[in-house]
Amino acid sequence: DADVTQTPRNRITKTGKRIMLECSQTKGHDRMYWYRQDPGLGLRLIYYSFDVKDINKGEISDGYSVSRQAQAKFSLSLESAIPNQTALYFCATSDPGQGAGQPQHFGDGTRLSIL
Amino acid sequence: GDSVTQMEGPVTLSEEACLTINCTYTATGYPSLFWYVQYPGEGLQLLLKATKADDKGSNKGFEATYRKETTSFHLEKGSVQVSDSAVYFCALSDYYNQGGKLIFGQGTELSVKP
Repeated sequence: DADVTQTPRNRITKTGKRIMLECSQTKGHDRMYWYRQDPGLGLRLIYYSFDVKDINKGEISDGYSVSRQAQAKFSLSLESAIPNQTALYFCATSDPGQGAGQPQHFGDGTRLSIL
Repeated sequence: GDSVTQMEGPVTLSEEACLTINCTYTATGYPSLFWYVQYPGEGLQLLLKATKADDKGSNKGFEATYRKETTSFHLEKGSVQVSDSAVYFCALSDYYNQGGKLIFGQGTELSVKP
């Protein structure tokens, strides 16, 4: 089983709909992240959480919200989806105990299309 | 703020050719530097990393050296294979000032032809 699991893998929806993307991890890591990937722009950080009670906005948080339900679960919501939120979304985790150089571990992504 | 710039792709090479993907960064602190690889339909995987100046990261025949004087972390491989076809991302993380958040370059797509 994958260490970082994202559901769904693909989603097509309409403008104005509410959407939730879910991420769960079995790595026991405290830190979790949500990114979006757009062609030519790399990955940009949406939200991150250093533990269950510590949630922070990233570079591009407008139009998104998150919930950290447990150490292992971190959900991303689009309250009212718009077409320019069409992208590939990634969840990642990291272990702060590794200090500088701690790598992040990524899920396989959710491809979201908003019509 | 901190940033990462990669050479633009796509890059197309023949099998066994030499590869260099340029990466430069700007940072106010002392970041760690990473190369991640994304194979088609998959998430990103750590390829190699370096945590201080002059460190060399290496993995699967790929190498990159942390050059503080030129603020660079270029990815190199002496002989590429078809299986190396993927998108490569350079990234930095300033653990002590920014808590380990990653800042990515735009990615470079590599296609290796038989």
